[in-house]
Amino acid sequence: KAGVTQTPRYLIKTRGQQVTLSCSPISGHRSVSWYQQTPGQGLQFLFEYFSETQRNKGNFPGRFSGRQFSNSRSEMNVSTLELGDSALYLCASSLSESETGGLPRQETQYFGPGTRLLVL
Amino acid sequence: AQKVTQAQTEISVVEKEDVTLDCVYETRDTTYYLFWYKQPPSGELVFLIRRNSFDEQNEISGRYSWNFQKSTSSFNFTITASQVVDSAVYFCALRAAYLDSNYQLIWGAGTKLIIKP
Repeated sequence: KAGVTQTPRYLIKTRGQQVTLSCSPISGHRSVSWYQQTPGQGLQFLFEYFSETQRNKGNFPGRFSGRQFSNSRSEMNVSTLELGDSALYLCASSLSESETGGLPRQETQYFGPGTRLLVL
Repeated sequence: AQKVTQAQTEISVVEKEDVTLDCVYETRDTTYYLFWYKQPPSGELVFLIRRNSFDEQNEISGRYSWNFQKSTSSFNFTITASQVVDSAVYFCALRAAYLDSNYQLIWGAGTKLIIKP
């Protein structure tokens, strides 16, 4: 089974531009989460999508947005890029269930290779 | 609040030595999951293990072993007879079990492991 794929792998943009990153989850996985990794802040959660709906969100400004399509593929968009947005953006997929009334969610997140974004 | 602490920023050992990576966590949830991931220089996070809070049995997988102690809120990772290919950054992470909790992976800062030949 193919793993999580992310495109592009590397990207160079300038301040003020916008960027769209893509993530294709493992076949059959319905949840996609996005993380930002920087040397200073480490790994930080951006958001999670399930069934085309944002289910969870981290503490990032509104410039960071995402969406999920019916085939579970997800895109992440960053508008008005800033120098501090330079980072490795990681996508993770998991075999998730819809809300089941209090039962624990045991799925593990599997990560893609990431997109390295450099903002000049 | 949830928190994961990996106090060892960097560890350097000679090949074939045993090495233990420490992970201490904080959470008010009674049910939660702990994870270890490996990040080689390529950048991809590779899943190593998931441990449920209600299962304190330790686990061994080849040269890897994990020691989960709920009493001390620790989930340490030991590599026996280390190899150069084990060189990577290792992350410990915590996640609540229920959707109405803070359902996201909370990450430690990572421990960079260098195995010298």
